[in-house]
Amino acid sequence: EAGVAQSPRYKIIEKRQSVAFWCNPISGHATLYWYQQILGQGPKLLIQFQNNGVVDDSQLPKDRFSAERLKGVDSTLKIQPAKLEDSAVYLCASSFRGHSNYGYTFGSGTRLTVV
Amino acid sequence: GQQVMQIPQYQHVQEGEDFTTYCNSSTTLSNIQWYKQRPGGHPVFLIQLVKSGEVKKQKRLTFQFGEAKKNSSLHITATQTTDVGTYFCAELNTGNQFYFGTGTSLTVIP
Repeated sequence: EAGVAQSPRYKIIEKRQSVAFWCNPISGHATLYWYQQILGQGPKLLIQFQNNGVVDDSQLPKDRFSAERLKGVDSTLKIQPAKLEDSAVYLCASSFRGHSNYGYTFGSGTRLTVV
Repeated sequence: GQQVMQIPQYQHVQEGEDFTTYCNSSTTLSNIQWYKQRPGGHPVFLIQLVKSGEVKKQKRLTFQFGEAKKNSSLHITATQTTDVGTYFCAELNTGNQFYFGTGTSLTVIP
């Protein structure tokens, strides 16, 4: 089966600019997650979707970050305006259910550099 | 946010030596998962542990869940250069999301 697709792979922007990341999960996976991974740290959950509804966005900095999954398939994560500390890899993951015995399947991520 | 503590943070071993990383939580865990992330790559699921005292093996990797379900370990026997990477445990919180540990970065010296 095809994996989790993410784009772009890399993005360099100046602070205060906006950026958007795209994720297409594995077909049939109802649950989609966005994680932020700062260099040298473990992935940090930003938001979880179940189909097109938000399950948990308690760690999403809502003053600048937003995410949507309008049709319950693809998802976009946006940052506006970006700060230097947003430099990280943004990982999208999906699972068949909330916590599958087969774990999460991660995409290759988008590496964001804010200068 | 929730953070699971892992030790050690870094480990350098000679090829052929064993390696162990430990994951500790202050709360009782319903289950725990382990992931491997190669340098420049993304986390890849290795295994899930659910039962108290559970031990699972994958070739040279042995995963253990503590009797009290508050800790877990990953042991690699006779490391190889292909084992290089960061190993994360991830614990399931009450909201049914997995929170990742701080990770242990393994370097294998040929």
